[in-house]
Amino acid sequence: GDSVTQMEGPVTLSEEAFLTINCTYTATGYPSLFWYVQYPGEGLQLLLKATKADDKGSNKGFEATYRKETTSFHLEKGSVQVSDSAVYFCALSVREAGNMLTFGGGTRLMVKP
Amino acid sequence: IAGITQAPTSQILAAGRRMTLRCTQDMRHNAMYWYRQDLGLGLRLIHYSNTAGTTGKGEVPDGYSVSRANTDDFPLTLASAVPSQTSVYFCASSEGEGGPWDTQYFGPGTRLTVL
Repeated sequence: GDSVTQMEGPVTLSEEAFLTINCTYTATGYPSLFWYVQYPGEGLQLLLKATKADDKGSNKGFEATYRKETTSFHLEKGSVQVSDSAVYFCALSVREAGNMLTFGGGTRLMVKP
Repeated sequence: IAGITQAPTSQILAAGRRMTLRCTQDMRHNAMYWYRQDLGLGLRLIHYSNTAGTTGKGEVPDGYSVSRANTDDFPLTLASAVPSQTSVYFCASSEGEGGPWDTQYFGPGTRLTVL
């Protein structure tokens, strides 16, 4: 079946550090890939997405590139801020599976001033 | 402000009791979803509805039921709650009928504790 694997957290960084959160996937069909962010006490918000190989999704300084050859969609940001502290979820959807989202386990990011 | 509302915000429930979690969206989205969030497991889909009048089972449907009588409302019912249903429940909606280009919008969640 479809699955998403993320690096386990928490990830603790100092402000202005470089961030990478790894995400790999297995899918029965051709997936669309997503990163969602959950700030404390809130629901999930879409951060960025990519729907085909080599697409790069970007938003709020975050980027992720759809790598079909390595089945990966790693999240990166060049300089994190305290306000980026949140839980980040990688997810995929596949048309052949009814387009439902399959989520990874989430990675908690803590950014210290 | 347009979006998704969920009620209650949190609830403590005795095992064996019946409970309905409410979800309302005002974006006229066709598709709606219920997820549960458990530590280390991400979000898992319980039930979904691609359009009013239709529902489907997700990854973990046992012990839950849903209905979709109209576009805006998508209640989730636990007929007889058990402690393993202690979780945070999120409702979501999307514009289309579940296509991969859709963005799912999430409500603020309901924290349910079953004792």
